[in-house]
Amino acid sequence: KAGVTQTPRYLIKTRGQQVTLSCSPISGHRSVSWYQQTPGQGLQFLFEYFSETQRNKGNFPGRFSGRQFSNSRSEMNVSTLELGDSALYLCASSPTGVGNQPQHFGDGTRLSIL
Amino acid sequence: QQQVKQSPQSLIVQKGGISIINCAYENTAFDYFPWYQQFPGKGPALLIAIRPDVSEKKEGRFTISFNKSAKQFSLHIMDSQPGDSATYFCAASTGGTNAGKSTFGDGTTLTVKP
Repeated sequence: KAGVTQTPRYLIKTRGQQVTLSCSPISGHRSVSWYQQTPGQGLQFLFEYFSETQRNKGNFPGRFSGRQFSNSRSEMNVSTLELGDSALYLCASSPTGVGNQPQHFGDGTRLSIL
Repeated sequence: QQQVKQSPQSLIVQKGGISIINCAYENTAFDYFPWYQQFPGKGPALLIAIRPDVSEKKEGRFTISFNKSAKQFSLHIMDSQPGDSATYFCAASTGGTNAGKSTFGDGTTLTVKP
């Protein structure tokens, strides 16, 4: 079974631009969560999608948004990029995201803001 | 407010030794506690997980000890090997429909010297 796939692996943007990151979960997994990983803040939860609906949301500004498609693939969008948005963005999937299910992570998209 | 505190930040162990990483949590609603291992350039990978109704769980050289009354849990790596050198994260989630929202510790960088 293929793992969680994130594209692109690397992105370089400038301040004020917007960016879209993509995540394909493990086949059959319907819950997709997004995390931001930085050296200073560690792994911070952004949001979780299930059945095309945002089910949980972390404490990030509205510039961070996402969506999920009917095939469970998910995209994350960041608008008006700031220098502080430079981070590794990780996507994780689980079968339903309900109960005690482990999350399976992709290798992330490294976003650098110049 | 950090809900999961992890220590130490870094750890150096000789090959064959025991590595111990500790985590403490505040939210008593947490009911699932996984540990993840992350290598450079890769996403976190699930190592082992435990529920609070179990005091210890062992998988190969990895053991989780859980103390519900103290709200603490720890990872023990027996017979540590250079290949175990990585960053380790503890995490917690509340289950139910919030299972896709994990709270992570800040991570411990483990170096196993040959």
